[in-house]
Amino acid sequence: SQTIHQWPATLVQPVGSPLSLECTVEGTSNPNLYWYRQAAGRGLQLLFYSVGIGQISSEVPQNLSASRPQDRQFILSSKKLLLSDSGFYLCAWSRDGYEQYFGPGTRLTVT
Amino acid sequence: QQPVQSPQAVILREGEDAVINCSSSKALYSVHWYRQKHGEAPVFLMILLKGGEQKGHEKISASFNEKKQQSSLYLTASQLSYSGTYFCGTGERMNRDDKIIFGKGTRLHILP
Repeated sequence: SQTIHQWPATLVQPVGSPLSLECTVEGTSNPNLYWYRQAAGRGLQLLFYSVGIGQISSEVPQNLSASRPQDRQFILSSKKLLLSDSGFYLCAWSRDGYEQYFGPGTRLTVT
Repeated sequence: QQPVQSPQAVILREGEDAVINCSSSKALYSVHWYRQKHGEAPVFLMILLKGGEQKGHEKISASFNEKKQQSSLYLTASQLSYSGTYFCGTGERMNRDDKIIFGKGTRLHILP
């Protein structure tokens, strides 16, 4: 069976500090991978998605970046966090581009 | 373009029915429905594809009006476990590389 992992579960970071969130998927190969952010009142905001190693599509221009160094690993990064980066970050994978399976999420608070 | 969901929130008593609507300004290939309980990750409920194909939860039904670019999710004889936030997502292309854009969600609260 397939499993998706995200860590850390919670994170408190000061403004201006770097960020690295990791997501890994087990039990499948060549998945589509997605990063979403959830802030109050904005629903699920798609940040990045990837259909293969090294292939990243950015949906929202901002100070975040994503990388896919391995087939089942997806990393969300920032060099300098802003207060507005606070939120609930969700990673998801999909086999066929339709049904998405979400990870447990990381709750980020930027102080 | 983010789809628009209505209502934003609804409160029901257990056993009552609810309809959640989702509309888009663009032609759609697919509509996706997810439910998220507080503090948890969203969970897939249903997908509706252009042409009539559907896949999803047995106890939940939905419709997709391709011409109007609208979808509705029908929750009948609601149970306490149905409480949560419902998201619709829309896809514009028949392509596994296409992205889904989600709406802002509809909060559903079921009272005993």
